[in-house]
Order: sequence, then structure tokens, then C-alpha cells
Amino acid sequence: QVTLKESGPGILQPSQTLSLTCSFSGFSLSTYGMCVGWIRQSSGKGLEWLANIWWNDDKYYNPSLKNRLTISKDTSNNQAFLKITNMDTADTATYYCARSGMDYSSYIYYWYFDFWGPGTMVTVSS
Amino acid sequence: DIRMTQSPASLSASLGETVNIECLASEDIYSDLAWYQQKPGKSPQLLIYNANSLQNGVPSRFSGSGSGTQYSLKINSLQSEDVATYFCQQYNNYPYTFGAGTKLELK
Repeated sequence: QVTLKESGPGILQPSQTLSLTCSFSGFSLSTYGMCVGWIRQSSGKGLEWLANIWWNDDKYYNPSLKNRLTISKDTSNNQAFLKITNMDTADTATYYCARSGMDYSSYIYYWYFDFWGPGTMVTVSS
Repeated sequence: DIRMTQSPASLSASLGETVNIECLASEDIYSDLAWYQQKPGKSPQLLIYNANSLQNGVPSRFSGSGSGTQYSLKINSLQSEDVATYFCQQYNNYPYTFGAGTKLELK
């Protein structure tokens, strides 16, 4: 059974760095073909994909957030992380992590997200 | 970035009715399209992938179609539990992008 769960600070001040953790079970990010992504949802901008990290440590970022994003993983503890620097009120959103990866019956990659965490709300306010 | 234009933004339909939601991509996405359902206070759930493949466990009244730049989600025989917001997502190119959503309500 695949589950994911996000955790974060809840509230932080403008210019601070956001650190998010995605704890998951039912799969491993050390397994060939696996991927975890981060997506956020705000009332103003809808759903916005942020970053992906693959089992081989390949990383992809949304260029709209320029150099503010860093994604990483801890395979031994089944966790993925996202840091966003220089947070602004516009970054107030619910942040989700989700799984993507490979269909092992066919060894074909898939890039949609088949399992999502419940999300963690992050408010940026002074 | 590939722009995903979803329509309508909101929709009111009766139980048992058939509903169609459209998604238009700004360029050919070669059927690399997913549909998600999101209920209030919950995370999105995958319904359809590769434009027309039904995710395991999703009722067969949901179906997807389309190719190139035009895609649609069809819900046959609308049920009360289908009240939700529906999103499309393209994964043909990074950055992945989503439609703005269609809020489906009961008439």
C-alpha cells in the first residue's frame, strides 16, 4: 500500500527558507524508475508543479521559481525533501508530494502522479 | 511552458446526466495527459492517464479521449459522489502544467 505524507512548519515569515519533508511507504526511491514530485496549490495560481527527484538522483525544477528550489532524498528513511528559499506571501499554498515512476509489468515510465499525500498548508506572513 | 486551457470553469449538472470537460494544450502533447479529481479538503486523485487509460479502481463511468492538443473527460450517469473539481495535467514536457480546474456541482 502506497502512502505519502508531507510535513512542514505551517507558518513562516517572508524571506525565510521553507523546508518540507515527504515521508512515504509502499515503495522505495532507491528502486529503479521511481520518482517523487512536489506540487503546490494556491487559490491564486491553482496547481503548480515544483520539482521531481528520480531514483538515480536526477532532479528537475520548475524554471518559474528559478534558483529558489532544492529537492533531495534520503532513501534509507524513505523521505524526500524540498527547500524553497526567500519565501514570499505569494508562496502561501498547500504543498503536496506525489509519486511517479515506472510500471514494472511493462518497464515503461510514467510521468503522471498516481499517489498523492494529503498536503501540508504553508502560510507566509509577517 | 505548455499552457493548458480547461473549460468550462464551472458546471452544474443533474444526477444521471452526462458531463464533458475539455482541456486544450498550447501545443501537441502526444496524449501525455492525466485527469485528476479533487474533493474539498482532499488531495487530487488520478482518474485517467495517457489521455484515455482508466486508473485502477476508478469507476467505468469516467472516460478520457483526445489527441494532439484537444482532450476531454466524460462522466456518464453523474453520481452525487462525483461532485468535485477536475484538473487536467500535461506531462509531455517539463515543466508539467495543469489546467485551472472545472468545478462540478449538482443542479
